[in-house]
Amino acid sequence: NAGVTQTPKFRILKIGQSMTLQCTQDMNHNYMYWYRQDPGMGLKLIYYSVGAGITDKGEVPNGYNVSRSTTEDFPLRLELAAPSQTSVYFCASSYTYPKTMNTEAFFGQGTRLTVV
Amino acid sequence: KNQVEQSPQSLIILEGKNCTLQCNYTVSPFSNLRWYKQDTGRGPVSLTIMTFSENTKSNGRYTATLDADTKQSSLHITASQLSDSASYICVVSPGSSASKIIFGSGTRLSIRP
Repeated sequence: NAGVTQTPKFRILKIGQSMTLQCTQDMNHNYMYWYRQDPGMGLKLIYYSVGAGITDKGEVPNGYNVSRSTTEDFPLRLELAAPSQTSVYFCASSYTYPKTMNTEAFFGQGTRLTVV
Repeated sequence: KNQVEQSPQSLIILEGKNCTLQCNYTVSPFSNLRWYKQDTGRGPVSLTIMTFSENTKSNGRYTATLDADTKQSSLHITASQLSDSASYICVVSPGSSASKIIFGSGTRLSIRP
């Protein structure tokens, strides 16, 4: 059971470059999230999705874009990388709360991104 | 504003000692509260979940408590081990939407031999 899979694990970008962080889950969760975690800090929500075709902004969406064409995949796009986007990025997924009361979020292993 | 605050920010204890981590929240309506453990360089993993009607729940050497009236939770670790070194994150789910689960900033726990 793979759970939540993120790729790549590490990446170095130059300022102004673009890239896509991939995230896929095989648990049929309808909720998916992207968080960033700066050194010594907590998780901050970038974007989330409540189902295929639906996305919404979190706390820190500027400089990022997402799409959710399928239940399984939730890629995060950085269009013009900036040093402020140096961080560890975590993708997560969960069930809908009202139906199951099971709100546990399952996390991927993270992508460590450095922008130089 | 829905918030989750944790204390202390960091804690260092000797192996074998006990410790207690605190979580205060202002989330309303409230559904449940989870404690996650995040090892360095890894994603968080759920330790325990508590609903508003539960006061105490144990998972091995971890015991979580919840006071829904004062909106406080604690995570007590007994007989600490080196492998307990990690960040412990308190996460609260509002009663209205699972999409807005709220993370605390975490407590960084270091166990010294």
